Amino acid sequence: DAKTTQPPSMDCAEGRAANLPCNHSTISGNEYVYWYRQIHSQGPQYIIHGLKNNETNEMASLIITEDRKSSTLILPHATLRDTAVYYCIVRVTNQGGKLIFGQGTELSVKP
Amino acid sequence: DAGVTQSPTHLIKTRGQQVTLRCSPKSGHDTVSWYQQALGQGPQFIFQYYEEEERQRGNFPDRFSGHQFPNYSSELNVNALLLGDSALYLCASSRSRTGERDTQYFGPGTRLTVL
Repeated sequence: DAKTTQPPSMDCAEGRAANLPCNHSTISGNEYVYWYRQIHSQGPQYIIHGLKNNETNEMASLIITEDRKSSTLILPHATLRDTAVYYCIVRVTNQGGKLIFGQGTELSVKP
Repeated sequence: DAGVTQSPTHLIKTRGQQVTLRCSPKSGHDTVSWYQQALGQGPQFIFQYYEEEERQRGNFPDRFSGHQFPNYSSELNVNALLLGDSALYLCASSRSRTGERDTQYFGPGTRLTVL
C-alpha cells in the first residue's frame, strides 16, 4: 500500500501557484519524498525529490516540514499544460527502491 | 539524448496468448523496472532487473517474467493472457550507484488490450 495521502483533486487558475499537499506521517529516516506527474495516457514524468531540505528545480519547488510528516509541491506559475495527475511517493533508494504509487491528485488548471 | 523507449506502442491480443514487450533504457542507465497501470489506477510495480537478474518483484504471478540483456535493454513477457491483463505497461530506467538505485525515468508505455 502507498504510504502517502493526497487529495483526489484540485483546481488552480492559470498563472497562479499550484500548491499540492501530501501527508506521509509514517515516513522513515532513510525514505525520500518523490513527486511524479502523469499527463493522460503518457508515462509518469519525474518532477523533483528530497530527503529533508527544501528543493527547487526548473519545474517546481518541494517544501518538506521539519518533522518530515508532510510536504507540498509548488508549481509557481501553473499553465494549462500542467493539468495532470500528481503522485507523491516515499521511497527507499537502496535495495531496489521500487515506487509505490497511490491514487494521486488530479490537478486541473483552468483559464 | 534519447529517453526511455518502449515498443510496441499498442498491442491487441486474445485470451490465452503470450506477449513480449520491449524497453530500451535511457543512456547511462543500467537498471530497468516494469510497472502495470490499469485504467484509473496508479502504476503497480511488477519487477526490476539489474545486472541481468531479477532483483525485486511485486505481487504478480509467475505468468509475468522478464529478461535483461547485456546492453541493459529489457523484455517483459506475459503468458496465458487474461482479460485483466489489459493495461498500460510502463518501463522505467535508473542508474545504480554504490548499492542505491537513482531516480527512475519512465517511457511512454505500451497499451495492451486483451480480447
